[in-house]
Amino acid sequence: RKEVEQDPGPFNVPEGATVAFNCTYSNSASQSFFWYRQDCRKEPKLLMSVYSSGNEDGRFTAQLNRASQYISLLIRDSKLSDSATYLCVATGGFKTIFGAGTRLFVKA
Amino acid sequence: GAVVSQHPSRVICKSGTSVKIECRSLDFQATTMFWYRQFPKQSLMLMATSNEGSKATYEQGVEKDKFLINHASLTLSTLTVTSAHPEDSSFYICSATDRLRATGELFFGEGSRLTVL
Repeated sequence: RKEVEQDPGPFNVPEGATVAFNCTYSNSASQSFFWYRQDCRKEPKLLMSVYSSGNEDGRFTAQLNRASQYISLLIRDSKLSDSATYLCVATGGFKTIFGAGTRLFVKA
Repeated sequence: GAVVSQHPSRVICKSGTSVKIECRSLDFQATTMFWYRQFPKQSLMLMATSNEGSKATYEQGVEKDKFLINHASLTLSTLTVTSAHPEDSSFYICSATDRLRATGELFFGEGSRLTVL
């Protein structure tokens, strides 16, 4: 079993749709969690950190459930520019584990 | 925000040659840097963890004699792909954590695309 598992993609959605990504992690010692966005042939860029209390940044909402070892990302009102690969990341100590990523295609 | 610069962004070399990639933290000190490799349409794969002043820790399956990592200062780590072969062609990315921030956030370099002919 992979340490960080994500929904397999790709997700193909129309503009304006709401899309949710899920991620589970197996290491209960993981301390920090993030969603990164990676565009084709580019480096990953931090989208948002994930907290147990949940956090929202504009159209993006991230949630963490430590009991279930589950992380989610919700994107509302999808834009064409949201098309990318979304990486779920769990860190603990000096170890950072990336999920395989979920590809999102938003179409007009 | 913290900036990580990676150089070169693109390199093409002949089989058998060695290629050095540099990763610099420009405005912070990075005691730990990470090196990844990413093949097309695949996820980032951690190759090694580089700690300033000590030997790098390599992930299982990564040849330490082929991928030489040096982290001589708090702002610079280098990855040298020795005797490169076409199968080493990939996107190599470094990242670093800012030891003064406790968030665990990784800051990535722009990546280096290696093509071995």
